[in-house]
Amino acid sequence: QVTLRESGPALVKPTQTLTLTCTFSGFSLATYGMCVSWVRQPPGKALEWLAVIDWDGDKFYNTSLRTRLTISKDTSKNQVVLIMRNLDPVDTATYYCARKSGDEGDSFDVWGRGTMVTVSS
Amino acid sequence: YELTQPPAVSVAPGRTARITCGGNNIGDIRVYWYQQKPGQAPVLVMYHDSDRPSGIPERFSGSNSGNTATLTINRVEVGDEADYYCQVWDSSSEHYVFGTGTKVTVL
Repeated sequence: QVTLRESGPALVKPTQTLTLTCTFSGFSLATYGMCVSWVRQPPGKALEWLAVIDWDGDKFYNTSLRTRLTISKDTSKNQVVLIMRNLDPVDTATYYCARKSGDEGDSFDVWGRGTMVTVSS
Repeated sequence: YELTQPPAVSVAPGRTARITCGGNNIGDIRVYWYQQKPGQAPVLVMYHDSDRPSGIPERFSGSNSGNTATLTINRVEVGDEADYYCQVWDSSSEHYVFGTGTKVTVL
């Protein structure tokens, strides 16, 4: 069974740095075609893709957020980490990690439950 | 690359709901659809324009041509009430892009 779980702080102050961890099981990020992505959703708003890292370490970022984001992986720990710098209240959102296996094209076939992050002083 | 969806679609139980996703020449790329119920993570309901993942009812179907992709839900049930998002991979910008989302209400 494939599962992903997001973890990180629920409350962050403006200008601070957010570190989110996606811990997954049921697949290996060393497998050809596998990717893990981060997607966020502000309250009442649409999904927004943030970043993705694939099986051989390639990384892609949302251009509008690129300077503030860093994505990395620890294949041995089955974890993907997203770092977001210089937080602002508009970054308040539920943050999801999701898997792309390649079996269903460029879709995210399994998602974590999400973690809500509030940016407030 | 931008994907535009109608904010809301209302449908009576047993009828057909059609949710559109507009994008420039979207028919040239593959489209994916997600269903998201309140307080839950999105669930993939359609991939490669018109393929259903395991466990998704045959009532769900998809099409994609020209500048519009469409997710169709036949014989709508109360349990289909949710937000629906389309998604593509834009290879020119190396971005995943989500649509603006459509709230489906079953009257």
